[in-house]
Amino acid sequence: QVQLQESGPGLVKPSETLSLTCTVSGGSVSSGNNYWNWIRQPPGKGLEWIGYIYYNGNTKYNPSLKSRVTLSLDKSKNQFSLKLGSVTAADTAVYYCARESYMMGSTVGLDHWGQGTLVTVSS
Amino acid sequence: DIQMTQSPSTLSASVGDRVTITCRASQSISSWLAWYQQRPGKAPNLLIYKASTLQSGVPSRFSGRGSGTEFTLTISSLQPDDFGTYHCQQYSSYPWTFGQGTKVAIK
Repeated sequence: QVQLQESGPGLVKPSETLSLTCTVSGGSVSSGNNYWNWIRQPPGKGLEWIGYIYYNGNTKYNPSLKSRVTLSLDKSKNQFSLKLGSVTAADTAVYYCARESYMMGSTVGLDHWGQGTLVTVSS
Repeated sequence: DIQMTQSPSTLSASVGDRVTITCRASQSISSWLAWYQQRPGKAPNLLIYKASTLQSGVPSRFSGRGSGTEFTLTISSLQPDDFGTYHCQQYSSYPWTFGQGTKVAIK
């Protein structure tokens, strides 16, 4: 059973960098059949896709966040990570990591999610 | 970016009712659409992908239809476990985008 678990500080000061890690169990971040995504949800609002990283290190970011986002992969720990710089109160949200699976050449959506972690930006 | 618009924003229905949620895309996304259920305080759960394919383990009372710009999610007979917010998501082009959500309450 694939499980994802987010970890990181729950409180970040304005202008600093938000850093989160997603640990994967029951699956491998080295799999070529999966993309590893980050999604966030501000309190009471909808979902926003942040970006993905592939096993070979390829990334794709949401242009609205691209200048501030970096995704990375640690195959030895079976983890992937998110860094979001120069945060403001607008970055306060529940952050989810999620696995996207591919089957027969097309995506089957975000089929496994972490439980989510609330990150608050405040001084 | 492709804008996704869901309707209604909220609905209340009784157990056993047939419920339909609509999702419209601002441009054609073919069949590259997924639906998720999100219970309060929980992560979204994938229900349907490629507009109409039921994810493994999802009850058959859920179904999806549509292509191009208009899509529907139908619950054929609403159950107490079906409360929560339903989100559509397009994966036709990046950045992936979600609808604003439809909150379903059980009367």
